[in-house]
Amino acid sequence: DTGVSQNPRHKITKRGQNVTFRCDPISEHNRLYWYRQTLGQGPEFLTYFQNEAQLEKSRLLSDRFSAERPKGSFSTLEIQRTEQGDSAMYLCASSLGARAYEQYFGPGTRLTVT
Amino acid sequence: GEDVEQSLFLSVREGDSSVINCTYTDSSSTYLYWYKQEPGAGLQLLTYIFSNMDMKQDQRLTVLLNKKDKHLSLRIADTQTGDSAIYFCAEEGYGGATNKLIFGTGTLLAVQP
Repeated sequence: DTGVSQNPRHKITKRGQNVTFRCDPISEHNRLYWYRQTLGQGPEFLTYFQNEAQLEKSRLLSDRFSAERPKGSFSTLEIQRTEQGDSAMYLCASSLGARAYEQYFGPGTRLTVT
Repeated sequence: GEDVEQSLFLSVREGDSSVINCTYTDSSSTYLYWYKQEPGAGLQLLTYIFSNMDMKQDQRLTVLLNKKDKHLSLRIADTQTGDSAIYFCAEEGYGGATNKLIFGTGTLLAVQP
């Protein structure tokens, strides 16, 4: 499978716990994006990496959220002290070019905070 | 600000045409997109249209763009039960370090056999 993969696919956690998600982009894609999709809404942009550099963060990304892409390949998104409002689908996308139509999406990680 | 709006729900009978509508606000968007999302699956890009075009046809899909009214529509001909999904329109947002997708709220298409 050469598509974007995300792990885990589902995560249930108690409020206050920390969680970490992983995204493996399509190999050779130097651009990587994280989006968040809450129930009944469309995805919203969270952050963008070009290679290992995090070049843009949405104001949606509070201080409890941190994302890394240490070697310019896979990326992790960590949420500290989870809140019920963090329950959502977290989507990762990768691309080689800058146009949005070049973004390939992974299947997402569904987070439920109880 | 940027905002993309869609109707929430559409129900059609198998074999009929479906028309899903969308309005957007950013007149500088160069490309506009339609995505399909099925349960448990990622977002699938269906088609996109360049802003200097009025219409684009791709097999059963027809996209119409009215730039004056900032209105985008997706017509699915001969709708099948496999077309049941959530459909998102999206515009390409500029500013910042990269082009990013700005999605509508999604339209749930239910196809009745």
